[in-house]
Amino acid sequence: EAGVTQFPSHSVIEKGQTVTLRCDPISGHDNLYWYRRVMGKEIKFLLHFVKESKQDESGMPNNRFLAERTGGTYSTLKVQPAELEDSGVYFCASSLGLVFYFGPGTRLTVT
Amino acid sequence: AQKVTQAQTEISVVEKEDVTLDCVYETRDTTYYLFWYKQPPSGELVFLIRRNSFDEQNEISGRYSWNFQKSTSSFNFTITASQVVDSAVYFCALLTDKLIFGTGTRLQVFP
Repeated sequence: EAGVTQFPSHSVIEKGQTVTLRCDPISGHDNLYWYRRVMGKEIKFLLHFVKESKQDESGMPNNRFLAERTGGTYSTLKVQPAELEDSGVYFCASSLGLVFYFGPGTRLTVT
Repeated sequence: AQKVTQAQTEISVVEKEDVTLDCVYETRDTTYYLFWYKQPPSGELVFLIRRNSFDEQNEISGRYSWNFQKSTSSFNFTITASQVVDSAVYFCALLTDKLIFGTGTRLQVFP
């Protein structure tokens, strides 16, 4: 069974540019989560989808971040325009019950 | 408010030493779950253990053991006879309505 996949693995962009991160959850998992870790800090919750609906987006830092999950399958997280403080590792997870499966993360560097 | 505190930012030990990673959590919920994840240098998050709030029985898995004490809101993780391959960042996490993480403890095991 394939795990959670994320693309790209790394992205380096300039301040003001746009970046879109993609997450493919494990097939059949209705719950999908986005997290972010800024260097040295906690892995911070961003939002939670149940199928295509946003269940909880309380962790989204501001309106420069837009997450979508069309059709309840893969999800995208777009940052537009990117700022320096958006640098970090973005993790995606999917879950079935209490078991959370994390993707390998996308390391985003904004210069 | 829910919170996870990992006061140890970094720990260095020599191989074969025992090491304990501390985790203190805060929640007003009576039903919750506690997790430990390992993040090796490769970057992925590896699930280690999950405990529910009604099960304070300690658990041992090989060289790993976990001590859950509700009275002190702690869920500490001990590695016995540490090995170089144990070098990683270890995250404690709390699940109530969402999964939240501590800031992680970087463990370095030297040969």
